[in-house]
Amino acid sequence: SQQGEEDPQALSIQEGENATMNCSYKTSINNLQWYRQNSGRGLVHLILIRSNEREKHSGRLRVTLDTSKKSSSLLITASRAADTASYFCASIASGYSTLTFGKGTMLLVSP
Amino acid sequence: DAGVTQSPTHLIKTRGQQVTLRCSPKSGHDTVSWYQQALGQGPQFIFQYYEEEERQRGNFPDRFSGHQFPNYSSELNVNALLLGDSALYLCASSPVGTEQETQYFGPGTRLLVL
Repeated sequence: SQQGEEDPQALSIQEGENATMNCSYKTSINNLQWYRQNSGRGLVHLILIRSNEREKHSGRLRVTLDTSKKSSSLLITASRAADTASYFCASIASGYSTLTFGKGTMLLVSP
Repeated sequence: DAGVTQSPTHLIKTRGQQVTLRCSPKSGHDTVSWYQQALGQGPQFIFQYYEEEERQRGNFPDRFSGHQFPNYSSELNVNALLLGDSALYLCASSPVGTEQETQYFGPGTRLLVL
C-alpha cells in the first residue's frame, strides 16, 4: 500500500509563479525523496532529504521535512512550462531500502 | 553512459496469458527494483533483486516473479494475467554501496491486458 499522500492532487499556475506541493507519510523514515514524471513515463529523481535534515535546496527546488508531523513540502520557484509534470514524494522507511510512493501531484504550468 | 533500459515499451496480452518484461540497469548498478504503476496512482513496489536473489518483496501475489542475471539485468514475469494487471511497469536500479538511496528509473513498459 502507498504510504504517503500528496496535496494538492492537482495544481494549475502561470509561468513565473511558485508551486508548492505537500506530502505526508506514516512511518519513521531514513530519507524522503521527490521525483518527477512526464506523461506517464519514467521517473526522474529531483532531490533527497535525510531524516536529520530540515531543509534542502537544489536550483529552483526547496524541500522541507518535518519529522514530528511526518510531512514534507516541495517548492518550485519561478515555474516554467517545462515543469509541467506529476510530482511524487517517496520515502525509505527505517530498516528498509525500498521506496514507498504517494499518489502524486499533477502540476500544470501555463505560459 | 546508457541509463536504465526496459523492453518492450508496450505490450498487449489477454487474460490468462503470461508475460516477461526485461530491464538492464545503469552501468555500475547492482540492485534492481520493480514497480507497478496503475493509471493515476503512484508506483507500488513489487520486489528488489540484489546478487541474483530476491531481497525484498512488496504486497504482490506469487503470480509475480522475477530473476536477476549475473550481469545484473533482470526480468519480471507475471503469470495468469488479470485485467487488473494492466499498468506501467517500472524498473529502477541503484548503485553499489549507497544503501539504495537514489533510484534511477527506466522509461517503463506499458502492459494492457484485454
